[in-house]
Amino acid sequence: EPEVTQTPSHQVTQMGQEVILRCVPISNHLYFYWYRQILGQKVEFLVSFYNNEISEKSEIFDDQFSVERPDGSNFTLKIRSTKLEDSAMYFCASSEGGDPYEQYFGPGTRLTVT
Amino acid sequence: RKEVEQDPGPFNVPEGATVAFNCTYSNSASQSFFWYRQDCRKEPKLLMSVYSSGNEDGRFTAQLNRASQYISLLIRDSKLSDSATYLCVVNPSGSARQLTFGSGTQLTVLP
Repeated sequence: EPEVTQTPSHQVTQMGQEVILRCVPISNHLYFYWYRQILGQKVEFLVSFYNNEISEKSEIFDDQFSVERPDGSNFTLKIRSTKLEDSAMYFCASSEGGDPYEQYFGPGTRLTVT
Repeated sequence: RKEVEQDPGPFNVPEGATVAFNCTYSNSASQSFFWYRQDCRKEPKLLMSVYSSGNEDGRFTAQLNRASQYISLLIRDSKLSDSATYLCVVNPSGSARQLTFGSGTQLTVLP
């Protein structure tokens, strides 16, 4: 069964450093997403991406964040200057498109900012 | 009012029991509804989409009441492997694809 993959599984970085989280969505999917989950809290939407551009973004997705699809398979989330409060689990998801937008999640990258 | 509200639980039930989870959502324009399950420190996994007519997948039955803005999930004949957090998830409007998650209801099925 096809699945979304993410690397690395755990990233530790110092405050102020840049990190890039990587995802390989399911191959025939057209829509890609990033969500985050701070420990003990609910899953929160960050951004959606379609046709090589951002479709929607939340208030969390400020200028420190960017997304890119550098080639035909990878989808990346960059955080330019990490803050302590960026520590969370970051999930990539993808969907085929069409109703009802069923989204499939990758295993996540646990980001720890020290 | 929270966008998606769920009873956090925990629900502790014996194996074989029937358990029901409820969820309410605030945006009446919401178009799509889902139940996901999440095991500890793992990704949300899609359990089922929820349709207006109600739908069933094996031991799982989901219902949607648009008038009351209410979604339910019924699990029959609970298994130990059903222990997880169940997330009520809503696509808040037809033009957007973002999902809004509830905080989840924790279920533990006891032997």
